[in-house]
Amino acid sequence: NAGVTQTPKFRVLKTGQSMTLLCAQDMNHEYMYWYRQDPGMGLRLIHYSVGEGTTAKGEVPDGYNVSRLKKQNFLLGLESAAPSQTSVYFCASSGDPGRVGELFFGEGSRLTVL
Amino acid sequence: GQNIDQPTEMTATEGAIVQINCTYQTSGFNGLFWYQQHAGEAPTFLSYNVLDGLEEKGRFSSFLSRSKGYSYLLLKELQMKDSASYLCAVRDSNYQLIWGAGTKLIIKP
Repeated sequence: NAGVTQTPKFRVLKTGQSMTLLCAQDMNHEYMYWYRQDPGMGLRLIHYSVGEGTTAKGEVPDGYNVSRLKKQNFLLGLESAAPSQTSVYFCASSGDPGRVGELFFGEGSRLTVL
Repeated sequence: GQNIDQPTEMTATEGAIVQINCTYQTSGFNGLFWYQQHAGEAPTFLSYNVLDGLEEKGRFSSFLSRSKGYSYLLLKELQMKDSASYLCAVRDSNYQLIWGAGTKLIIKP
């Protein structure tokens, strides 16, 4: 069972470069999320989606864009990377939050911006 | 503002019991989650509480008091593999998860 898969696992960028992180889930979940995790801080929500074709801003959306063209995929883009975006990025998916709706996380993508 | 507080780090001995506390102040409440995260890995779901009381799942139990804005995760018969960070998260009135910074649990032989 693949669950939630993120690519790439590691990436080093120079300031101003762009990149896209891909998240794919095979659990037929409606809800998908992108988080960043920094030392000493809780997970912070960047963007999320409640279904195919929908996206919404989370707590820290600036500098990021997302797309959900297919139900199973959720892409996170950085148009012009900055050193402040150095972080570990986690994608997650969930079933109906009106029930338990626990999150299933991908393995994470470690991004360094020089 | 919304806030989740949990201790930064705790140390316990193999075979013992440890209790990790979490206090919260959020805009509404629609459930509290505990996740385990080993170093360099993704968080994995441990438990969910939406009503007051204790939920037991093997060696792990989680307690909730909504009136006090308080939860704890109880780990019994500690094993070395329990060394990890434990994340508390509350789902608010908008069904968004608010995360604590996590408690790093160190298990000593």
